[in-house]
Amino acid sequence: EDQVTQSPEALRLQEGESSSLNCSYTVSGLRGLFWYRQDPGKGPEFLFTLYSAGEEKEKERLKATLTKKESFLHITAPKPEDSATYLCAVQANSNTGKLIFGQGTTLQVKP
Amino acid sequence: DAGVTQSPTHLIKTRGQQVTLRCSPISGHKSVSWYQQVLGQGPQFIFQYYEKEERGRGNFPDRFSARQFPNYSSELNVNALLLGDSALYLCASSGDRGRGQPQHFGDGTRLSIL
Repeated sequence: EDQVTQSPEALRLQEGESSSLNCSYTVSGLRGLFWYRQDPGKGPEFLFTLYSAGEEKEKERLKATLTKKESFLHITAPKPEDSATYLCAVQANSNTGKLIFGQGTTLQVKP
Repeated sequence: DAGVTQSPTHLIKTRGQQVTLRCSPISGHKSVSWYQQVLGQGPQFIFQYYEKEERGRGNFPDRFSARQFPNYSSELNVNALLLGDSALYLCASSGDRGRGQPQHFGDGTRLSIL
């Protein structure tokens, strides 16, 4: 069964304190792995797509990496405005565009 | 450019009623997907439509149905509402059939069942 597990469930950081979020997945043929950011009361906002092991993508303080079993979202010197829930999702090689999401990691960055 | 728009933003219904949620995709996007997000969890896939045809269905009862119109907008219908249907309903659009391109989400419809 295709599955995504994110850890930790919640993370509290001080401003400037770098850390990583983990996304472990099992999928019958990976078409793509997606990272989203979700603010309270809003829909998920697309951040990155990763397609193959070894791939890396960067955007401002965020860097996403991918292996055959997991993905990491590294946050360098976070700011309070980075506080949000970060969602990881996988899409399998199937006939649909179905995304399978993890439960998310809620990040709080304190000034 | 306008993103994915959903209406209404909030809705309150009672058990047994029926509800229709609406979604307009990003201009040029032909694929629309629907997800249900319960508080504290990640979104769960309900349906995908591409070129007005159903391309995927998640593990939801037949009370849930959807359709896509010629202008690629979509409606999600839920009949015989249950308390457990209370959730944020998200619509997402993508440029292809969803094969590897990112899906872009609207801000959802918050459905509360009393």
